[in-house]
Amino acid sequence: DQQVKQNSPSLSVQEGRISILNCDYTNSMFDYFLWYKKYPAEGPTFLISISSIKDKNEDGRFTVFLNKSAKHLSLHIVPSQPGDSAVYFCAARDQGGSEKLVFGKGMKLTVNP
Amino acid sequence: KAGVTQTPRYLIKTRGQQVTLSCSPISGHRSVSWYQQTPGQGLQFLFEYFSETQRNKGNFPGRFSGRQFSNSRSEMNVSTLELGDSALYLCASTRGGSSYNSPLHFGNGTRLTVT
Repeated sequence: DQQVKQNSPSLSVQEGRISILNCDYTNSMFDYFLWYKKYPAEGPTFLISISSIKDKNEDGRFTVFLNKSAKHLSLHIVPSQPGDSAVYFCAARDQGGSEKLVFGKGMKLTVNP
Repeated sequence: KAGVTQTPRYLIKTRGQQVTLSCSPISGHRSVSWYQQTPGQGLQFLFEYFSETQRNKGNFPGRFSGRQFSNSRSEMNVSTLELGDSALYLCASTRGGSSYNSPLHFGNGTRLTVT
């Protein structure tokens, strides 16, 4: 039973345009959401997070939006750069008290020059 | 500040053997988690340790075990290796504590190949 879903396996955008990565979840007990970026043969790198009490968080070119009623979050990257090409993972933490994260299966973003 | 360090980076083992992987968290981080990444299953949670106590465990067989030392360093052990255990094993650390919303920071992993 997949609690965090990234339904699109890949996305291709032009340099300078917006990249929108989507993520859906089913567990209403999730209270903290994160996005990670991963290159091959490296560990995931933390990008940005959002608490369930907020609906938007911004950090430079990255903005995460949370829609709790729809159990949906999205990551916007503006403007997209070729160096953003990587696999992006959405993750969520259960408010049960541990640091366990549940990950989506990832989405490969390609930014073309 | 040094990041999460995992050793070794690569391992090749034979079916039936056992293996121990090591993780040094970021200084000051008390929570250490382990994840298994495979192409088919993505990142799967193995277990989390906080102040030397296992706080949560994922859905893996008992052949997978771990521990955390008083300096927060952690090890995980896999006994009686199977071909399906071939994967990238990732360690992550965070400050921990229920008052924080603090992201996990990952090491670069140990690539385990079982032949």
